[in-house]
Amino acid sequence: GESVGLHLPTLSVQEGDNSIINCAYSNSASDYFIWYKQESGKGPQFIIDIRSNMDKRQGQRVTVLLNKTVKHLSLQIAATQPGDSAVYFCAENSGGSNYKLTFGKGTLLTVNP
Amino acid sequence: NAGVTQTPKFRVLKTGQSMTLLCAQDMNHEYMYWYRQDPGMGLRLIHYSVGEGTTAKGEVPDGYNVSRLKKQNFLLGLESAAPSQTSVYFCASSYFSQGTEAFFGQGTRLTVV
Repeated sequence: GESVGLHLPTLSVQEGDNSIINCAYSNSASDYFIWYKQESGKGPQFIIDIRSNMDKRQGQRVTVLLNKTVKHLSLQIAATQPGDSAVYFCAENSGGSNYKLTFGKGTLLTVNP
Repeated sequence: NAGVTQTPKFRVLKTGQSMTLLCAQDMNHEYMYWYRQDPGMGLRLIHYSVGEGTTAKGEVPDGYNVSRLKKQNFLLGLESAAPSQTSVYFCASSYFSQGTEAFFGQGTRLTVV
């Protein structure tokens, strides 16, 4: 969903359920995408990445899907655990001489035991 | 292996005071970045460096200066702090700008009163 004012989009799930976090990116020229996890009071941590020549990549309990047609990225977390509770950011890199990662506003995932 | 280390972790400044935030990385990364994180705004790039002795402006550079005299260190300076610079500051580093993830420090929480 879209963020409103200072409020992050939120997703609340039960422990053991699967979670899907969505992200719409802005630049059709972006060729590399990353998902970061940020726990309270900590810096962002790398979860998984994907290049634009792929549409799916799997890691341990996580899967990233890329739909370039609609500029959409999703992160799927299998068997969500309380330790997965955090803010999740997607980031895009548009390549060329652009050296920066552009971050989305984040989604707050809360896992209920 | 410490990764990316930021100093200090917390600081309170009065309007008009100056300070320097230090970032050190021990991964021999070429690229280093300074971001600020505000509620509902995600991470925004302030300045970045593509190598020792080089710096460049990011998305929100006004009111900040940076220096990269040594490859492992990236300093962020506030010459005359303003309340609008109250934020959490994150330093990050990466091997290259594209196709690799950035590693983040733990953040510096700065309050300007």
